[in-house]
Order: sequence, then structure tokens, then C-alpha cells
Amino acid sequence: SQKIEQNSEALNIQEGKTATLTCNYTNYSPAYLQWYRQDPGRGPVFLLLIRENEKEKRKERLKVTFDTTLKQSLFHITASQPADSATYLCFTSGAGSYQLTFGKGTKLSVIP
Amino acid sequence: NAGVMQNPRHLVRRRGQEARLRCSPMKGHSHVYWYRQLPEEGLKFMVYLQKENIIDESGMPKERFSAEFPKEGPSILRIQQVVRGDSAAYFCASSPRSIQETQYFGPGTRLLVL
Repeated sequence: SQKIEQNSEALNIQEGKTATLTCNYTNYSPAYLQWYRQDPGRGPVFLLLIRENEKEKRKERLKVTFDTTLKQSLFHITASQPADSATYLCFTSGAGSYQLTFGKGTKLSVIP
Repeated sequence: NAGVMQNPRHLVRRRGQEARLRCSPMKGHSHVYWYRQLPEEGLKFMVYLQKENIIDESGMPKERFSAEFPKEGPSILRIQQVVRGDSAAYFCASSPRSIQETQYFGPGTRLLVL
């Protein structure tokens, strides 16, 4: 069955540095990947969507890449700020089917 | 333009009672999704509905759980004869047309079973 793995449960970085989060998928080829942010006690909030024919997508300080050969998406936050501290989730559905799947998330802490 | 609304925000039930969770999608959205999040765990897909139709319920337990999205009114997730293991946060999301679009999440309903 398809699987999404976010290889870090927690990531601590210094303010101003670039945070890089990883999402790996196995056993299928998704047509797209989405990244969400979730704060404690709240629902996820959509950040970026990247499709399989796109290598890179940017939005302000956020950048996401999609490498279908490595079966991996990387999510970058440049010039990180303490306000970026949250849990970041990757999400996709199976190609040609539903199989809606979230990764377990990476909890990012940006230290002042 | 109001976002996705869920009510109640908190729900306490005793074992064996029924829990009804409501979700009003964003205006113009005809696709609704329900997810469950256990403490310290990720979001698990439960069911995907369009108006009056269940599209995919592969993530929903076969017993005690049901969902509907009627032509008029909110989507309802119903849990019969709740057990302690049902205690979790239940999130609803909606999208305009398809599962490949952005999902807009509600604030969740936190169910506590005593």
C-alpha cells in the first residue's frame, strides 16, 4: 500500500536559518503533493501544492520541490522566524484513486 | 466568506452514547472530507463525500461509524456506542471540485469519551 514518510518527527533550527523538511513516498506515483501547516489545537492550513510535472514552487519564503525519481518532496523555509514554529504535514492522494494520505508531520521549532 | 465550520468544538460523551459531529463546508464547496487525529499522531483519512454520495469510506471503521452529506444542511459524522478509543480530534475539510485541490480545514471537534 502507498506510504508517506516524513523522516523527522522534530526539527530545531536557529532563527534566520533555512529549515528543510522531507517527505518521501513509496509504492505509488502521486500526481501532486501538498504541504500544510498545523498549529496546536487547530486544523491544518494549506501552504503549497506541487504537481508531478513541476520541479519547484515558491511562495514568499517557502519553496517546495518534487523529485519523482527520488520519490521525494522537500519543503524549505528561508530566513526562518519563531512564528514559523509549527507542525508541517505533507499530503497526497493515490494516482487514479483516492487514498488520501497525510504524513505524520515534522514539528519545527525555530529558536530565537 | 466564512470558512469551514464544525460544531460542537468540544464534545463529552459516556461510553455507549452516540456522538454527532457536524461540518458546514465553505460556500460553493461540494466535496467534504473527514479525518481523525489521535494525540501525538498524524491525520488519518476516514471518509470522502460529495453531496448525497459517499465517494470513499475506506478509512472509516466498519462498525459504529457513519457519515452523510445531504443535499441540504451540514455533513454529519456519527459515532454510535462510543468507546474510550474514539477520543480524538475530528477534522472536516472541504474543497470546491476535486481531491486534487486545496482542502480547507475546520477547527475540529474534540471528542472525549469518559
